[in-house]
Amino acid sequence: TQLLEQSPQFLSIQEGENLTVYCNSSSVFSSLQWYRQEPGEGPVLLVTVVTGGEVKKLKRLTFQFGDARKDSSLHITAAQPGDTGLYLCAGLNTGGFKTIFGAGTRLFVKA
Amino acid sequence: EAGVAQSPRYKIIEKRQSVAFWCNPISGHATLYWYQQILGQGPKLLIQFQNNGVVDDSQLPKDRFSAERLKGVDSTLKIQPAKLEDSAVYLCASSLGPRGGSRDTQYFGPGTRLTVL
Repeated sequence: TQLLEQSPQFLSIQEGENLTVYCNSSSVFSSLQWYRQEPGEGPVLLVTVVTGGEVKKLKRLTFQFGDARKDSSLHITAAQPGDTGLYLCAGLNTGGFKTIFGAGTRLFVKA
Repeated sequence: EAGVAQSPRYKIIEKRQSVAFWCNPISGHATLYWYQQILGQGPKLLIQFQNNGVVDDSQLPKDRFSAERLKGVDSTLKIQPAKLEDSAVYLCASSLGPRGGSRDTQYFGPGTRLTVL
């Protein structure tokens, strides 16, 4: 069974601080996605990384896919209260069509 | 472009009762997914349709859960009878591609929050 472990589970920081959340697995994934979910809503896709070692930037968010395609990280620079939410990583299995989600990191950014 | 629609948004039932959820995907999306998200966990795929055929239902508890996607558009998910552990948010998502895939974005609806008493 492929599992994705996210850490930390919960993070509370002040506005302006930097943070990194992690997504780890012992399995190889063909791609990995990061979503953000706000209360009462469904997850919204932030990014998809496909190639081992790939780095993508989305404004203040930097996403990295591990060289072995087993792990990923999300780094947020100068966090803002609007970044508050549940961040989920999701891996697409090597078979190609099944998405497996981690349990998420709940981020709270205080003004 | 309208997003994925789900109804109802909230449902409270007693154990052993039946319940049904409805999903209308984004127009033209071939693939439809139902996920179960228990509080404090990430979404777990229950069933994935390609048009009106089932691609993956390996994690669907088939003794009590059923789903259909008539005419390859709308879908319903049913639980009969419900158990306490079925309390969760049920998310529907759709994607454009014929079977999903690494470059195929899933668009999620707002979910139905089910409470089983």
